[in-house]
Amino acid sequence: DIQMTQSPSSLSASVGDRVTITCRASQSISSYLNWYQQKPGKAPKLLIYAASSLQSGVPSRFSGSGSGTDFTLTISSLQPEDFATYYCQQSYSTPGTFGPGTKVDIK
Amino acid sequence: EVQLVQSGAEVKKPGESLRISCKGSGYSFTSYWISWVRQMPGKGLEWMGRIDPSDSYTNYSPSFQGHVTISADKSISTAYLQWSSLKASDTAMYYCARRRRIAVAGGAIYYYYYMDVWGKGTTVTVSS
Repeated sequence: DIQMTQSPSSLSASVGDRVTITCRASQSISSYLNWYQQKPGKAPKLLIYAASSLQSGVPSRFSGSGSGTDFTLTISSLQPEDFATYYCQQSYSTPGTFGPGTKVDIK
Repeated sequence: EVQLVQSGAEVKKPGESLRISCKGSGYSFTSYWISWVRQMPGKGLEWMGRIDPSDSYTNYSPSFQGHVTISADKSISTAYLQWSSLKASDTAMYYCARRRRIAVAGGAIYYYYYMDVWGKGTTVTVSS
């Protein structure tokens, strides 16, 4: 199985901050990387697919980049509704493993 | 509206069997695979497996192979996740999600996969 890691595991930030979350794969996965947002008690929501493609309806302050083994999710200006846990997931091979998550909370 | 509607919360005893469901609507159910994802209390997301509702072909994560069965009834646009003998460690939230495929043309055609529509989840509690 491909192992996914994320850093940091948690971070505290203020509204308006630029936030960057990193995801690393244990082997090259090209651009087969998705990002999901999950709020407490809610189902995950797709933000980014294919490493950098913004899902329809997702605000443009979210962006993704990277290929191979290293990827980033950036929130350009954190909004109150963005406090959540973010997961990366590889879709290069089965099983489609997730990263452990990065919790973004209010400073 | 495209949606996946999951069955309600379940409370079971160890050793009991269970089947939970995920009903798709607002789209062609047989055109998209359905994946199942587990989230244990306070933990992250784990991909369990998926099914092609058009022919019921399945893939499983090795971590779940043999412990659960994924099935589908395309006549009623419903996918299922079932256990024959539950354990306390099966206590979790279970999500179904639609797997979408997009083709990107470069030198060749590349297919990217992602889960774009999610059910609200089914809580399964296994306790004696």
